[in-house]
Amino acid sequence: QVQLVESGGGLVKPGGSLRLSCAASGFTFSDYYMSWIRQAPGKGLEWVSYISSSGTIKYYADSVKGRFTVSRDNAKNSLFLQVNSLRGEDTAVYFCARMTTDDAFDIWGQGTMVTVSS
Amino acid sequence: QSALTQPRSVSGSPGQSVTISCTGTSSDIGGYNFVSWYQQHPGKAPKLVIYNVSKRPSGVPDRFSGSKSGNTASLTISGLQVEDEADYYCYSHAGAYTPWVFGGGTRLTVL
Repeated sequence: QVQLVESGGGLVKPGGSLRLSCAASGFTFSDYYMSWIRQAPGKGLEWVSYISSSGTIKYYADSVKGRFTVSRDNAKNSLFLQVNSLRGEDTAVYFCARMTTDDAFDIWGQGTMVTVSS
Repeated sequence: QSALTQPRSVSGSPGQSVTISCTGTSSDIGGYNFVSWYQQHPGKAPKLVIYNVSKRPSGVPDRFSGSKSGNTASLTISGLQVEDEADYYCYSHAGAYTPWVFGGGTRLTVL
């Protein structure tokens, strides 16, 4: 079935880095735009990053610009988010989501937790 | 780009209808028909319930409906059921600089 599975989260010290992954299955991954969306504990959803189907166009929220990098490997049906210079306010569950041509997020992964603490 | 504005909470009894508003600006909701709504139960991933202002994905009950007037979008849930109790988030395309923005979320309580 259509599925997204995130991995790579964990506990990291301020200033540290992680590489989040999202494995896609059940659909033609290379046909779809993808995004990362995060949710801090007890808070709302925050869009983080977007990547086009080919990987050539990328957008970032102001809060992560210059620190996070999105990429994808269509041959391996995988989406990535390199998160650097982590801060306490980056603590959140990070979801990957498939985007439709109607600009909606129709498929979501279960999320991976990133905790930034000393 | 500021988040879209939603009421923090709404409530209703089983069988009743509730409407959740989502207010933005002419740069987001007012400028595009790319408005969608998401339902999130505790500890779960969000689920798409409305897209393109008023369209329902396959499998979403027709009790869920969406609309837009000017800079405000609305989600209406009719015939409330206990399982509708969840957090609801609106979302809109917001132009080229920060293309996507969510509302702050609304907690729906079914009394």
